[in-house]
Amino acid sequence: AQTVTQSQPEMSVQEAETVTLSCTYDTSESNYYLFWYKQPPSRQMILVIRQEAYKQQNATENRFSVNFQKAAKSFSLKISDSQLGDTAMYFCAFPTIQGGSEKLVFGKGTKLTVNP
Amino acid sequence: DAMVIQNPRYQVTQFGKPVTLSCSQTLNHNVMYWYQQKSSQAPKLLFHYYDKDFNNEADTPDNFQSRRPNTSFCFLDIRSPGLGDAAMYLCATSRALAGGLETQYFGPGTRLLVL
Repeated sequence: AQTVTQSQPEMSVQEAETVTLSCTYDTSESNYYLFWYKQPPSRQMILVIRQEAYKQQNATENRFSVNFQKAAKSFSLKISDSQLGDTAMYFCAFPTIQGGSEKLVFGKGTKLTVNP
Repeated sequence: DAMVIQNPRYQVTQFGKPVTLSCSQTLNHNVMYWYQQKSSQAPKLLFHYYDKDFNNEADTPDNFQSRRPNTSFCFLDIRSPGLGDAAMYLCATSRALAGGLETQYFGPGTRLLVL
């Protein structure tokens, strides 16, 4: 079965500093997407960034960037210049095919707290 | 703006009293999902529709049913809610392509309380 592992249940960072959230996954597929989702305390899940596996260039969205290591099956999220609004649960997610249908497999999440 | 809408945002029901949660989308996506999320946990997929094809997760209790009358709407029916069904229910949509799933877009969720 495809799995997604987030090894850091909780992290904290000071405002304006940089933090990296880790994610590893297991798959036998060669072409796929990877996603980081953010869920603030208000609880709406929103997409932070996505990476296409066939692209060697790491995805970047403003202060958010990924370090995608395909061979190592690693997909970490770096948040630069952390802001108080970055406080949230962060989920790494990987699409997979199970039972003949495609769906997302989520990691257990990392709770990030940005301190003033 | 194109979006995923869930109603109601908060739902209180009594133990055993059927309840229906609704989801609508203006993204014209062909896949719609229902997730259950309990506090401090990842979302757990209950089922999803790929167009009109219903895909149930193996561990989803029979107590949970779904309907998708058209592309835009999808409903989650809980036939006899138990205390353990109190949770946030998230609806999501995506566009499935030959190369795989695209991004899932989530609604704001419905928080269900069972008394």
